[in-house]
Amino acid sequence: AQSVSQHNHHVILSEAASLELGCNYSYGGTVNLFWYVQYPGQHLQLLLKYFSGDPLVKGIKGFEAEFIKSKFSFNLRKPSVQWSDTAEYFCAVNARGSQGNLIFGKGTKLSVKP
Amino acid sequence: NAGVMQNPRHLVRRRGQEARLRCSPMKGHSHVYWYRQLPEEGLKFMVYLQKENIIDESGMPKERFSAEFPKEGPSILRIQQVVRGDSAAYFCASSPLKAGEQFFGPGTRLTVL
Repeated sequence: AQSVSQHNHHVILSEAASLELGCNYSYGGTVNLFWYVQYPGQHLQLLLKYFSGDPLVKGIKGFEAEFIKSKFSFNLRKPSVQWSDTAEYFCAVNARGSQGNLIFGKGTKLSVKP
Repeated sequence: NAGVMQNPRHLVRRRGQEARLRCSPMKGHSHVYWYRQLPEEGLKFMVYLQKENIIDESGMPKERFSAEFPKEGPSILRIQQVVRGDSAAYFCASSPLKAGEQFFGPGTRLTVL
């Protein structure tokens, strides 16, 4: 069965620190990969997605993620976080050619101290 | 273009009552997905519908839960005879294409007393 693992439950950083959130998935076939963000009190928003092509994907608000097929990973990065990045981040996958339903990780809460 | 709308945002029910959760997809989107988020868990897929059809309900509990997406009007997730374990946030997402990018609504937080 497909699954997504996010290794960090809660990450606390100071402003300007660099961020890397881990995401690994388990699936034998080809996948589409997503990172969603949920700011406090708001709905899930898409940060970035990977379907094919360049494995380094740039998203909104300075975020990027790199798909490493050999490691089944899609880690999220940002070189310098801001207080406004405080949110919960979810990694998700769906199988290429599937009905599209997303398999989510449990999420990582990011707290950025001003 | 209005986003995905869900109502109510908060719903309180007593055990044994029925809960009806509504989702209006974005304009032009005919694909709707429902997900449930239990406390301290990620979102779990429940059901995928396209106008008037249930395409995949593999994530739906076998009893008490049903979903519909009529030709006119919002998609409805219905939970009959709610139990405390149904307390969760229920999210709806819509997409213009099968397996396309999904746009999420704000969710309905169901509390069962």
